[in-house]
Amino acid sequence: ETGVTQTPRHLVMGMTNKKSLKCEQHLGHNAMYWYKQSAKKPLELMFVYSLEERVENNSVPSRFSPECPNSSHLFLHLHTLQPEDSALYLCASSPTPQGSEQYFGPGTRLTVT
Amino acid sequence: GESVGLHLPTLSVQEGDNSIINCAYSNSASDYFIWYKQESGKGPQFIIDIRSNMDKRQGQRVTVLLNKTVKHLSLQIAATQPGDSAVYFCAENSPNSGYALNFGKGTSLLVTP
Repeated sequence: ETGVTQTPRHLVMGMTNKKSLKCEQHLGHNAMYWYKQSAKKPLELMFVYSLEERVENNSVPSRFSPECPNSSHLFLHLHTLQPEDSALYLCASSPTPQGSEQYFGPGTRLTVT
Repeated sequence: GESVGLHLPTLSVQEGDNSIINCAYSNSASDYFIWYKQESGKGPQFIIDIRSNMDKRQGQRVTVLLNKTVKHLSLQIAATQPGDSAVYFCAENSPNSGYALNFGKGTSLLVTP
């Protein structure tokens, strides 16, 4: 198992719900990421944080709202999602935000009903 | 546009044989490459990486080869074991792609006894 943990592992939510995904890294890394993994698609980068500052937002709809209170924790706040948002949401961390290996958590399997 | 892709979506090998998983990339500015393994229900796991100033790098039972002339990357797994069964992703990063690791769609490796 990696040093990146994610909770919850599974989440089912209605389109009007508000929920949050949590990620914690125990590796002392400076960068953290949110990815979306859908069936038969490559991993899609959503957000990048470097030293708690958001440095990249890949045209993600505003119904996804990230938060990075410190370099070890990352949240993804979800509200008024659509069924097509159902996917595996992966958190990752890396020593630096570019050109270094990223270590992934186990992911949160999200189902929007 | 720039892309990272895999030659074969599935690969079946016998236990004990060597496996070769291929990846093509199109961005001539790519300078960092990485291979991940993803087992069912888990997040991607870092296997090995290589920078563009190298042609070959070896790890434990794995070797990555980089041919910059034809923009080709391969992962060789020696003495493949049932535990190697998983989806394998290549990814690349370049100075002009920002913080994103650009992932391919993945190759499913099945090891048969």
